[in-house]
This record gives sequence, structure tokens and C-alpha cells, in this order.
Amino acid sequence: KQEVTQIPAALSVPEGENLVLNCSFTDSAIYNLQWFRQDPGKGLTSLLLIQSSQREQTSGRLNASLDKSSGRSTLYIAASQPGDSATYLCAVNSGYALNFGKGTSLLVTP
Amino acid sequence: SAVISQKPSRDICQRGTSLTIQCQVDSQVTMMFWYRQQPGQSLTLIATANQGSEATYESGFVIDKFPISRPNLTFSTLTVSNMSPEDSSIYLCSVGQGAGDTEAFFGQGTRLTVV
Repeated sequence: KQEVTQIPAALSVPEGENLVLNCSFTDSAIYNLQWFRQDPGKGLTSLLLIQSSQREQTSGRLNASLDKSSGRSTLYIAASQPGDSATYLCAVNSGYALNFGKGTSLLVTP
Repeated sequence: SAVISQKPSRDICQRGTSLTIQCQVDSQVTMMFWYRQQPGQSLTLIATANQGSEATYESGFVIDKFPISRPNLTFSTLTVSNMSPEDSSIYLCSVGQGAGDTEAFFGQGTRLTVV
């Protein structure tokens, strides 16, 4: 069974800092990996999708990398802003439904 | 991309009652997925719903408690039956998963509180 782990569980940074969120998974046989953002009590917003054949994807200030062989992905957020405060979820698609990590709760302080 | 409308967005229900959550997608999809997110936890798959067949439930979830309908390729409902406070969670529907390169999309979720 695919296990997904996210580190750290929580992170607080001052505005303007660059930061890295980590995701690891146990089974490298994946179709893709997706990063989501979740605001409190809300649904999930897709941030980046990385296919298994890709090494990274970029969208604005976000950059996600994937090292499938080692079972790791990182989400890099540049020049963080208070509006980035949310929970970030990593999800792995192994061919059926998604397997989620527990998320990283990010707080960006002004 | 897919746009998913889910309702209600939130509800407070009495124990012992049932709530039906609706999920509407703006395009035809083969499979729809229902997840539960308990407070402070990540998402857990409840079941997958294919049009024209019975839903497939994950371990720990049963049809009597979480009946699902899938009348067509753009709509599904999840009912939470005979609710208890332990059912207080966010329930989310999703599309776009499975084998292949597809991107998953989620509805805005239904925040359920059982009192």
C-alpha cells in the first residue's frame, strides 16, 4: 500500500522567505504526483501536477520537483506572502484513487 | 480541467438523521471519487462511483452507512446515514484519477457537523 509522508507538519515563516515542503512516498510505481492547497474548512485547489516522466513543474512562484526513484517530491515557494498561508497536501496517483499525505500547515506572517 | 459543484457547502445535523451531498461536474466523467477528511487528518477514500454500476467501497466503509448514487456521467450523491458525532468531517467529491496522466480535481467540500 502506498504510504505518503509530508515533512514538516507545520511551518511558520516571515513574509518574503523562500521555503521548501517535502513529500515522500514508498512505492515508486506512480502515474503522477499532485500538490494541492487547502484553506481551512474548504476543498482542494490543484497547484501542480508532475507526471512520472517529468522532473519538475513550475507555476508562478511555485516549483515542484519529483525524484521517482527515491520516492521524493519537493514544493518550493519563492518569496512567500501571507496569502500563501494554508495547508499544502501532496497526493500520489498509483493508478486508482489518490494517496494523500497529512499535509504541511503553512503560516506566513507579515 | 473540470469544475465541480458540491452542495451543501456545510451543514449541522442532529445525530440519527441522514444528509445527502450532491456533486455536479461540468463534463462527462467515467469515475467519481468520494473522500472523507476527519478533523486534523488527511483525506481517506470512501468509495468510487461508476455510472450504471454499484459503487466500490474501501475497507471500513459500507453501503448501508454511505449509500452512493450515480445516475449519469455528470452527477453523483453521497448520503451519510444515521449520523453520529464521529461522522463530523469534510466530505469531498473528485474526478480525474485512475490510471493515466490525468489531473485530479475536487469540489469545494461539504463541512458536516453532527450534534
